[in-house]
Amino acid sequence: ETGVTQTPRHLVMGMTNKKSLKCEQHLGHNAMYWYKQSAKKPLELMFVYNFKEQTENNSVPSRFSPECPNSSHLFLHLHTLQPEDSALYLCASSQGVSSRSSYEQYFGPGTRLTVT
Amino acid sequence: QKEVEQNSGPLSVPEGAIASLNCTYSDRVSQSFFWYRQYSGKSPELIMSIYSNGDKEDGRFTAQLNKASQYVSLLIRDSQPSDSATYLCAVKMDSSYKLIFGSGTRLLVRP
Repeated sequence: ETGVTQTPRHLVMGMTNKKSLKCEQHLGHNAMYWYKQSAKKPLELMFVYNFKEQTENNSVPSRFSPECPNSSHLFLHLHTLQPEDSALYLCASSQGVSSRSSYEQYFGPGTRLTVT
Repeated sequence: QKEVEQNSGPLSVPEGAIASLNCTYSDRVSQSFFWYRQYSGKSPELIMSIYSNGDKEDGRFTAQLNKASQYVSLLIRDSQPSDSATYLCAVKMDSSYKLIFGSGTRLLVRP
């Protein structure tokens, strides 16, 4: 256990559905991240939040909508997804202050998403 | 040009051998480097961080950093079948908090 939890662990949704992924960290960190990992591809950074403010949006389609209500919680709202969006969605957190160790990212277990 | 490059493997070594995993990066001013282990179907797990030139040892793992040559490596001594996984190299390249990940090297340790 890394102190980062994600729910649900598995999700199957149709292209017209709306669903949300949830991430919670119990590490006292201030920065949180969403990544997408597709088969045989490197990790793709989607969004970065630091102290609840979005600091990075890596050209992610608008059908993915992040929300960060506080430093411990991060959501990814999904709507009208495409089959190619099927992937493992990973949440991570880091300290988010200026020290070397603050860049160490700790990952949650991920949500395996299948879009049908 | 890829920012962080790793040989995809698989790298196959016999049990008890030293496994050597390599990573090169493109940004000369990078300061922070990380190795993650990812078992099949699981999420990445941080195993080593290194910030200064030279070697850093933690148990059976040694990370080596050479900033002049822009490479970082991970040595696993006395490899065990349980070390079989994909190893991801990650580099912090700019003033933001984001890490750039390589595509990973798959390691197979043969019993």
